[in-house]
Amino acid sequence: SQQGEEDPQALSIQEGENATMNCSYKTSINNLQWYRQNSGRGLVHLILIRSNEREKHSGRLRVTLDTSKKSSSLLITASRAADTASYFCATPSGSRLTFGEGTQLTVNP
Amino acid sequence: DTEVTQTPKHLVMGMTNKKSLKCEQHMGHRAMYWYKQKAKKPPELMFVYSYEKLSINESVPSRFSPECPNSSLLNLHLHALQPEDSALYLCASSQDPSETQYFGPGTRLLVL
Repeated sequence: SQQGEEDPQALSIQEGENATMNCSYKTSINNLQWYRQNSGRGLVHLILIRSNEREKHSGRLRVTLDTSKKSSSLLITASRAADTASYFCATPSGSRLTFGEGTQLTVNP
Repeated sequence: DTEVTQTPKHLVMGMTNKKSLKCEQHMGHRAMYWYKQKAKKPPELMFVYSYEKLSINESVPSRFSPECPNSSLLNLHLHALQPEDSALYLCASSQDPSETQYFGPGTRLLVL
């Protein structure tokens, strides 16, 4: 079963706007990962945030982690049409990586 | 080299065919994975290999048979598949199962 739940399921914004996606999980974790998937292609790793970190940045991406609420958020600033993709959070459990249901982001030019 | 390659990119097969999907990585990763992904759904784990040994089989039907010939290669042998097996099959690798996984571009499989 999938541990992560993401919201919103779909998000449509204009180019230049910011996009925020949220992820909740159920069990304790040692890290949380975000991935992007362009239509019909493989997943690309974006950021890994460890349980002792609260915030992490990578270019236009900002990830936060609140272990007390078992939630994480991914912020994409100054979005571009090329950011259109599905975004998944994922949490490791043993040798498994469990993915959330994903957020489909559409950035309109 | 942080690339995972998969062949073929597309595959159409009948229910009586036997085919194989191939995956290769040259990052020295010790763990390799097969996932199945249906449209608009997250990837579902099928198999995990650790140090070339099968460590996890997520109750996958026997018509899917994984093989790890060496530390760089992972195969998925397909036989007598059903139309509901049509999906995107993704291979991934990682140095540690709890860390970042690197995915291949996938094989789009259609079973007729």
